[in-house]
Amino acid sequence: KNEVEQSPQNLTAQEGEFITINCSYSVGISALHWLQQHPGGGIVSLFMLSSGKKKHGRLIATINIQEKHSSLHITASHPRDSAVYICAVWSGGGADGLTFGKGTHLIIQP
Amino acid sequence: DAGVIQSPRHEVTEMGQEVTLRCKPISGHDYLFWYRQTMMRGLELLIYFNNNVPIDDSGMPEDRFSAKMPNASFSTLKIQPSEPRDSAVYFCASSPANGRETQYFGPGTRLLVL
Repeated sequence: KNEVEQSPQNLTAQEGEFITINCSYSVGISALHWLQQHPGGGIVSLFMLSSGKKKHGRLIATINIQEKHSSLHITASHPRDSAVYICAVWSGGGADGLTFGKGTHLIIQP
Repeated sequence: DAGVIQSPRHEVTEMGQEVTLRCKPISGHDYLFWYRQTMMRGLELLIYFNNNVPIDDSGMPEDRFSAKMPNASFSTLKIQPSEPRDSAVYFCASSPANGRETQYFGPGTRLLVL
């Protein structure tokens, strides 16, 4: 089973700062997801990556397949970005091929 | 579209009772996923369906859990009998043609088994 490590576990930053959240995994994958979970509990899928880079508004996600590493960047961070960011990887068929990281708790202070 | 709909939003029940959680996926989505989230274990994929057919239930914790999808617009996750350790938030998500594309999550059902 894939091992997924996220860092940092907790991050507090000031509004406007550039944020980077990292995700490393141990076994080759077919796809990687970045999820955002709001303080109220709702989950939003931000990106699905299998290679390269994707951008949506102030969010950028990159993946390096050779290094088994992905990063989620937030530019010009805002208090509404405060949430838990979760990395999830598919490394095979079946429900047990999907592994989640423990999440990064991000707080953006005004 | 209303998004993925789950019911009930909250459920409190006593140990031993049967619990049924319901999900209506986004129309046209071929994949449906059931997840469980707890403080101890985080998010876990329990089972997923493609075109109403269960593809893999290897994430289902034990025989007390069962899931069905009788048609493209409705799925249930049933726990019988329920136990206190089943207390968690259960999410349903749906996805268009390729299950590894973006998933759209429902608001979750918060289950407490006393």
